[in-house]
Formats: sequence, C-alpha cells, structure tokens
Amino acid sequence: GQQVMQIPQYQHVQEGEDFTTYCNSSTTLSNIQWYKQRPGGHPVFLIQLVKSGEVKKQKRLTFQFGEAKKNSSLHITATQTTDVGTYFCAGPNSGGSNYKLTFGKGTLLTVNP
Amino acid sequence: GAVVSQHPSWVICKSGTSVKIECRSLDFQATTMFWYRQFPKQSLMLMATSNEGSKATYEQGVEKDKFLINHASLTLSTLTVTSAHPEDSSFYICSAPTGKSTDTQYFGPGTRLTVL
Repeated sequence: GQQVMQIPQYQHVQEGEDFTTYCNSSTTLSNIQWYKQRPGGHPVFLIQLVKSGEVKKQKRLTFQFGEAKKNSSLHITATQTTDVGTYFCAGPNSGGSNYKLTFGKGTLLTVNP
Repeated sequence: GAVVSQHPSWVICKSGTSVKIECRSLDFQATTMFWYRQFPKQSLMLMATSNEGSKATYEQGVEKDKFLINHASLTLSTLTVTSAHPEDSSFYICSAPTGKSTDTQYFGPGTRLTVL
C-alpha cells in the first residue's frame, strides 16, 4: 500500500537556527499537505501543494513539492519557540476516496530558547 | 473558518464499559468524516471513514464490532468504543474534509480516553 515517510523523526534546535523536515511518498501524489500539531493539541492544516515543483511561503516557513510529485519539504528559517510541535505531511490515498489521507510519522521539533 | 468539535475532550472509564465520542461539524455539513487514533509521540492512524447515511469503512486491522461508528446526520458522527480495555487508551481525533480544496481536512480537538 501507499507509504509516506518522513525524516527526521526528531529535531532539536537552538532558537534562531533553521529547521527542515523531508517527506517522501512511495507513489506519485496529486497533492501534498502539511499539518502542525502542538504538544497536547490536534493537527492544524498549514498548506497544500498541488503543482510539480511548487514552492509556497508562509512567513518563515517554505514548502516545496518535488518535480516528480513524490517528495516534499518544509523549511523553517530562524526558528522561534512558537514553532515547537510535530509537523506532519500527508498525501491523498492513491487507492481510495478523494479525501482519505495517509500521514507521515511526523517530525517533532523542539526549540531551545 | 470551519470548526470541528469533539465531546468529551477527555474521559476516564473502567475496563469493560463502553464510551461514546461525538464529532460535530459546527458550521458546515460533512457527508464524510474520519476517525483517527494517536498513541503518544506517534503519528495519526486512520481507523475508519464515517459516511453519512451508510456504513462506515474500516481500515485493515480495526475491529468494526469494537469501534462502532454512526454518522446519523450531516453534522454528527459518533465513535463508540465498546467493552473498553486499557490497551484502548489513546487520543482519538476526528476530521472532516474542508470542501474548499481537494482533500484538506479540519481536525477536531481530540478526545483522550483512559481505560483503567
């Protein structure tokens, strides 16, 4: 079945340092989505990338979708303590309904102030 | 923006009892909702797809008689954990498609179930 892999599993940085998490799918994706889950909270939608090679920015966050539409990355510039949380990528299930998502295992980011 | 609510936010119960968790879409209709469970420091595991007016679709390995899902209206889906045991203790989260763009979902705040 479809697999979505994410690395690293954990990342600890000093405040002000950059952070990147990588996502790879075993199948070509129609789109990829990123969610953030704060400790003790629930996943919150961040962004969706649809086009091959697409790059989108949200303030200090930069999201990329690979040319082959099988990989993606999230880069945070100059991390802040508010960036702490687990970042998940997710792709639509290739064999099922339009809305079903397969999530990566997530990358837990901790920031030392 | 659209909001998905869950009730209760946490519940503690004795082993052998049943627990019902509600998931509501507050300002939009959802013919489809999803139920996930999440163990500490792990990813979201899809349990089932809840379909309004029809039977839920369960993921492989999820016991449908253990986790009863009812989607009785366009704004409400319920998950009942029957005869709960300590290994059922987990964080249960529901979600609903936003309808704004393909596949994106709004997640409920989650229900933390502890079975003693």
